[in-house]
Amino acid sequence: DAGVIQSPRHEVTEMGQEVTLRCKPISGHNSLFWYRQTMMRGLELLIYFNNNVPIDDSGMPEDRFSAKMPNASFSTLKIQPSEPRDSAVYFCASSFYGTGANVLTFGAGSRLTVL
Amino acid sequence: DQQVKQNSPSLSVQEGRISILNCDYTNSMFDYFLWYKKYPAEGPTFLISISSIKDKNEDGRFTVFLNKSAKHLSLHIVPSQPGDSAVYFCAASAQYTGFQKLVFGTGTRLLVSP
Repeated sequence: DAGVIQSPRHEVTEMGQEVTLRCKPISGHNSLFWYRQTMMRGLELLIYFNNNVPIDDSGMPEDRFSAKMPNASFSTLKIQPSEPRDSAVYFCASSFYGTGANVLTFGAGSRLTVL
Repeated sequence: DQQVKQNSPSLSVQEGRISILNCDYTNSMFDYFLWYKKYPAEGPTFLISISSIKDKNEDGRFTVFLNKSAKHLSLHIVPSQPGDSAVYFCAASAQYTGFQKLVFGTGTRLLVSP
């Protein structure tokens, strides 16, 4: 298994531009999570999906952020328009949600720099 | 409001000695706790976990201790090795969320010197 695949690994853009981050979860996993890592706040949960359905988006900072999961093998996180304060590393993670504890497997992250 | 706190941004220890990483939480509903390790340019990887029904869980050189009354947990690494140098994140979840919402701390950077 190739693990959780994220693209792009690095993105540099200018303020006001649209940014789209992509994620392919582990095959067979039915939950997908988007996290953002910053120095000040650590890893923040932005949104998560179960069986492609958004369950909790309370961590999405503003309406400029949106996430979709059109099928079990693909998700996107979009920022439109982007701002310098959005600069961070964005991680996607997946897991199998059943009973009991939930251990996430993370991708390598997408480092976003907004100038 | 940071529900999971790692108050030490960094820790330096010598190879062979014990590393102790600490974590505090404020939400009494949390009942499952995890530690993740992160190397540069990689995603966090799961290390060890503990349920609130236990006060200790051990896996090789790694032991996690949970003190529910103090809302405190710690990760012990014995003996520490240079390859353990990484950022360690503490995370917590609650059964009422189906254990799905992992709340992470800000991380502690561990440096193990030869």
